[in-house]
Amino acid sequence: DTAVSQTPKYLVTQMGNDKSIKCEQNLGHDTMYWYKQDSKKFLKIMFSYNNKELIINETVPNRFSPKSPDKAHLNLHINSLELGDSAVYFCASTSRTGLSYGYTFGSGTRLTVV
Amino acid sequence: GESVGLHLPTLSVQEGDNSIINCAYSNSASDYFIWYKQESGKGPQFIIDIRSNMDKRQGQRVTVLLNKTVKHLSLQIAATQPGDSAVYFCAENIIPEAAGNKLTFGGGTRVLVKP
Repeated sequence: DTAVSQTPKYLVTQMGNDKSIKCEQNLGHDTMYWYKQDSKKFLKIMFSYNNKELIINETVPNRFSPKSPDKAHLNLHINSLELGDSAVYFCASTSRTGLSYGYTFGSGTRLTVV
Repeated sequence: GESVGLHLPTLSVQEGDNSIINCAYSNSASDYFIWYKQESGKGPQFIIDIRSNMDKRQGQRVTVLLNKTVKHLSLQIAATQPGDSAVYFCAENIIPEAAGNKLTFGGGTRVLVKP
């Protein structure tokens, strides 16, 4: 199936731990994103990569480090997890060439820090 | 289960009626707008988009209206069905073709369809 897939879907971890979330898209898109959705459902962009190059970094703590090994993958590593990091994290992708510039989102990773 | 979204504005609509969801966007320079639907436990799903050189666009059972004068966007859903129950987001983008483009999302509206 063509899609944006992210793993894991659920992640429960203790404060201070380091964790990673992986994302892959097989849509041939050139740009990928990480968004954070808080408990009020507000979606906020964190990072954007275009062809493996970091384009947007929205004042995210440097405990968060995205990595894009190729344009189909964008992973998110989080060091020293804090309670406030609990949220749903969405990966998304888009193509800047075409008739539509809508983002395709993954199904999310619910991170719970205890 | 979810305990999120308790403070979302909620639109309750009878099955079969039309729904209208409103959104005030923030940036007068925005050139591209999208409506997304998010069902429980899923990611946002593209519904319909519109560029700033248009004021109306229709899809299957949905219509998006854009009023640039007052920076207002609306989504109309015809003959609302139980499957339309979800949270709906509007999103804006200044230059979607640019490498640094980003979608900025509004706060979301929960639609509850009553049978």
